[in-house]
Amino acid sequence: EAQVTQNPRYLITVTGKKLTVTCSQNMNHEYMSWYRQDPGLGLRQIYYSMNVEVTDKGDVPEGYKVSRKEKRNFPLILESPSPNQTSLYFCASSLSWGQGMIIFGPGTRLTVL
Amino acid sequence: QKEVEQNSGPLSVPEGAIASLNCTYSDRGSQSFFWYRQYSGKSPELIMSIYSNGDKEDGRFTAQLNKASQYVSLLIRDSQPSDSATYLCAVNMINTGNQFYFGTGTSLTVIP
Repeated sequence: EAQVTQNPRYLITVTGKKLTVTCSQNMNHEYMSWYRQDPGLGLRQIYYSMNVEVTDKGDVPEGYKVSRKEKRNFPLILESPSPNQTSLYFCASSLSWGQGMIIFGPGTRLTVL
Repeated sequence: QKEVEQNSGPLSVPEGAIASLNCTYSDRGSQSFFWYRQYSGKSPELIMSIYSNGDKEDGRFTAQLNKASQYVSLLIRDSQPSDSATYLCAVNMINTGNQFYFGTGTSLTVIP
């Protein structure tokens, strides 16, 4: 089954404790992206990757890091989480940027205390 | 001006009516446009894509694109209670890098 998986699905942590949210897709998609969704603000792009070893900042990259060492994986790293990073996070992938057809993962609800 | 703008709603329509959802975008060079549906607590799912001016129909859904007016819409015919969700408009923006931009969504409620 074609899918994007994320782990963990729910996470409660404390300020400053480094964490990683994993994202993996099994569709050989080139384009992968991370979004956060907050009430009233919609989906905002954090980082995206056009292909392996190619990553770029989205609209809200501050406080986040990503890497794309393999085509299927695109982890999101919060080196020192803060309460304003409490949000619902979605990983998504697409065959290529121009193809659209973004497929979303199930989401990770993160709470930073 | 936001890159992609939608009326937040809420929009309420009676069962069987036509629901009309609208979206405007800022990048005149954009080529690809998408509509997603998101149920509460779930991830967005793609329901329509449109790339050329005019109408594109898929079952009860019709997407309409007018690039000159930088306007894209979604019509849902014979609305059902199961259509109650938030509808997100998304656009590939060429002039702001290789990014997908989403509107904040329109909440639709179909009243039985």
